[in-house]
Amino acid sequence: DGGITQSPKYLFRKEGQNVTLSCEQNLNHDAMYWYRQDPGQGLRLIYYSQIVNDFQKGDIAEGYSVSREKKESFPLTVTSAQKNPTAFYLCASSPEAETNYGYTFGSGTRLTVV
Amino acid sequence: GNSVTQMEGPVTLSEEAFLTINCTYTATGYPSLFWYVQYPGEGLQLLLKATKADDKGSNKGFEATYRKETTSFHLEKGSVQVSDSAVYFCALSGNSGNTPLVFGKGTRLSVIA
Repeated sequence: DGGITQSPKYLFRKEGQNVTLSCEQNLNHDAMYWYRQDPGQGLRLIYYSQIVNDFQKGDIAEGYSVSREKKESFPLTVTSAQKNPTAFYLCASSPEAETNYGYTFGSGTRLTVV
Repeated sequence: GNSVTQMEGPVTLSEEAFLTINCTYTATGYPSLFWYVQYPGEGLQLLLKATKADDKGSNKGFEATYRKETTSFHLEKGSVQVSDSAVYFCALSGNSGNTPLVFGKGTRLSVIA
């Protein structure tokens, strides 16, 4: 079955460490997105990519980095510059230019700083 | 820019009660509108959508009508079940494929038996 896989489901990071969250999709979607979810704040866009080897900053990109070397993969690195990284991270994908389609989401990664 | 405003929760209802979750939007042009549902510890799932004015999206007993005159897309269900307890998000698309979806802050629904 086609879908989006995020791993790991739970991740613990020590202060000062970089960590990378994985997002893989087999839907043949061109566009991929990373959102951060905090209680009471809804979803905030971190980065998105409409095509391989290209990506754009979202509303809260500071302290994060991404790459898009393959169509299927869009990993997110939470760097030590991100001062408050504890949150639930969601990856999504959609067919490019299909604004009527909406997004398919992964099941999320919960990151905790210890 | 585009924005979505949802009613604040939490909303607590008894089983078989009628549900309304309000959603209004601000946008240029003719966006598509979506409702997503998130169960505890999971990602979001598309619940229903509408792509033009007066369209009604429906799924699993939920429905919402795209009202351009009132810029609204309220979610309704005639008889809620305990299994409907979740967080519901209203979302708005842009006018082109290059514009990411804009999400509301979500409304938590709790249904008690």
